[in-house]
Amino acid sequence: ETGVTQSPTHLIKTRGQQVTLRCSSQSGHNTVSWYQQALGQGPQFIFQYYREEENGRGNFPPRFSGLQFPNYSSELNVNALELDDSALYLCASSGPGSGANVLTFGAGSRLTVL
Amino acid sequence: DAKTTQPPSMDCAEGRAANLPCNHSTISGNEYVYWYRQIHSQGPQYIIHGLKNNETNEMASLIITEDRKSSTLILPHATLRDTAVYYCIVRLHSGNTPLVFGKGTRLSVIA
Repeated sequence: ETGVTQSPTHLIKTRGQQVTLRCSSQSGHNTVSWYQQALGQGPQFIFQYYREEENGRGNFPPRFSGLQFPNYSSELNVNALELDDSALYLCASSGPGSGANVLTFGAGSRLTVL
Repeated sequence: DAKTTQPPSMDCAEGRAANLPCNHSTISGNEYVYWYRQIHSQGPQYIIHGLKNNETNEMASLIITEDRKSSTLILPHATLRDTAVYYCIVRLHSGNTPLVFGKGTRLSVIA
């Protein structure tokens, strides 16, 4: 089975720009969540998608938005980038039933905002 | 905020058991203890979870105290590849509940 894949792996943007990060969930997984990990910190929950709807959100402003597609893949969009948005963005997927309790993470997309 | 407290770092000799402690004194009756680890430049990896009984799988053992206020993750024979940051997380057993990460314990396995 394939794991969670994220793209791009690295990218550099400037303040005020917009960015889209992509995630393909593990085969058979129907829930996707996104986390932000600043340098030296643990990951912080951004939001979660199930059946193409956001069904949970952390303490992040509305300029962080997302989508989930019918094939369960997902996008994270960040508008009006700020320097503090520089971080590793992690996508995680989980399966139905008892599999919902175990998250499989991708390797992340490292965003640098200049 | 994370509901767990872990030492910031630990060392372990290769081949020896690594015992990683975690305090979760405010854990509620329906919250599980989860452990994940993050090897450098990778995403977190699930290790094990448990409610009140000790658990063992191919990666590790989880020992939870009877009062459930603390737990220990045991890697029975640590290898250099086990060098990582280990996160202890308490969480409701629901797919809707996000993981709340603290800063974890940085385990260094030394040859």
